[in-house]
Amino acid sequence: DTEVTQTPKHLVMGMTNKKSLKCEQHMGHRAMYWYKQKAKKPPELMFVYSYEKLSINESVPSRFSPECPNSSLLNLHLHALQPEDSALYLCASSQDLAGGLNTDTQYFGPGTRLTVL
Amino acid sequence: AQKVTQAQTEISVVEKEDVTLDCVYETRDTTYYLFWYKQPPSGELVFLIRRNSFDEQNEISGRYSWNFQKSTSSFNFTITASQVVDSAVYFCALSEAPGGGSYIPTFGRGTSLIVHP
Repeated sequence: DTEVTQTPKHLVMGMTNKKSLKCEQHMGHRAMYWYKQKAKKPPELMFVYSYEKLSINESVPSRFSPECPNSSLLNLHLHALQPEDSALYLCASSQDLAGGLNTDTQYFGPGTRLTVL
Repeated sequence: AQKVTQAQTEISVVEKEDVTLDCVYETRDTTYYLFWYKQPPSGELVFLIRRNSFDEQNEISGRYSWNFQKSTSSFNFTITASQVVDSAVYFCALSEAPGGGSYIPTFGRGTSLIVHP
């Protein structure tokens, strides 16, 4: 089973709202990722968690706040977003961050389409 | 620094035609990994293949085949007898770990494939 689930599928929020995106995997993977994807562009890495610790933050604005409550769950808390933050937010997981034994292959969820008004 | 170039922005074919999607990469590492992902209109990135830098064997999976050539730094993807369901954006990606760090893939810009009935 290579399934990563994300909720909600669609989200519309105002600039003053606080919302959260959720991601879950039950593959026993220890690395989880958040990506942002604008239309007709490749995914852009935002955050990487490895063994539930934040490993990489690609200089993402503080209005995006990631959280990894346990090895299966990854959240992205949103607050005071701007219209330009409207995008597809993708979660991914991999066995870990090492190459070699095919442990770095990322499996993606279906994404959350976020619209900020 | 690693780089992935997908020079074809969009390809349009008629069903049953064969089509090749090009991917050229740059890396200074001798150990690296190459990937292809498919992104249908629904948004989820679907993992297709992973290839490590020490394995130059070509691979065939049904109508899909991949040609890895280190001499030209290319990892091309061919779909034989294309079908409408193949319509999607296809991303090539490269991961390396300079200095022994984490293997995080860099994505190409993607090639949009449109298969007409």
